[in-house]
Amino acid sequence: EDQVTQSPEALRLQEGESSSLNCSYTVSGLRGLFWYRQDPGKGPEFLFTLYSAGEEKEKERLKATLTKKESFLHITAPKPEDSATYLCAVQGDYTDKLIFGTGTRLQVFP
Amino acid sequence: NAGVTQTPKFRILKIGQSMTLQCTQDMNHNYMYWYRQDPGMGLKLIYYSVGAGITDKGEVPNGYNVSRSTTEDFPLRLELAAPSQTSVYFCASSSASLVEQFFGPGTRLTVL
Repeated sequence: EDQVTQSPEALRLQEGESSSLNCSYTVSGLRGLFWYRQDPGKGPEFLFTLYSAGEEKEKERLKATLTKKESFLHITAPKPEDSATYLCAVQGDYTDKLIFGTGTRLQVFP
Repeated sequence: NAGVTQTPKFRILKIGQSMTLQCTQDMNHNYMYWYRQDPGMGLKLIYYSVGAGITDKGEVPNGYNVSRSTTEDFPLRLELAAPSQTSVYFCASSSASLVEQFFGPGTRLTVL
């Protein structure tokens, strides 16, 4: 059965303190791995799609990487506005469905 | 360009009542999805559609029904509401499979 596990559940960082969020997955034939950001009371907002192991994508202070078993979302010198829940999702072979993890709730303090 | 819109924003139902959650997108996307999100949990797919007239079950379809008569609209019907259906419901759309999904603002439903 396809499964996505995110860690840690919650992360508190001082502004400027870099860290990484982990997304480990079990899926029959990974076609794509997605990262979304979700602010309280709002719908998820797309960040990245990674399609193959070794791929990396960057956007401002965020960098996503992918291996055959997991993905990392690296946050460099975070700011308070980066505070949100970060969701990881995978899509496997022969399906249009996304399987989501439970997310990492990030809080960045000034 | 409004993107994905959902109505209502909030609703309280009594056990056994029925209701329809509305979802409309103006991006001419073929793919549309309904998810539910329980506190501290990830999103669970309820139903999805790959085009007008075509729908399929997701992970948690029991207690729900959908229809897709137009490209723009994808309503979710709850029959005989139960407390277990208390959740936040998100509608999403995408232009194809394996690309980013655009999410609506959500409907917060409470069943008492």
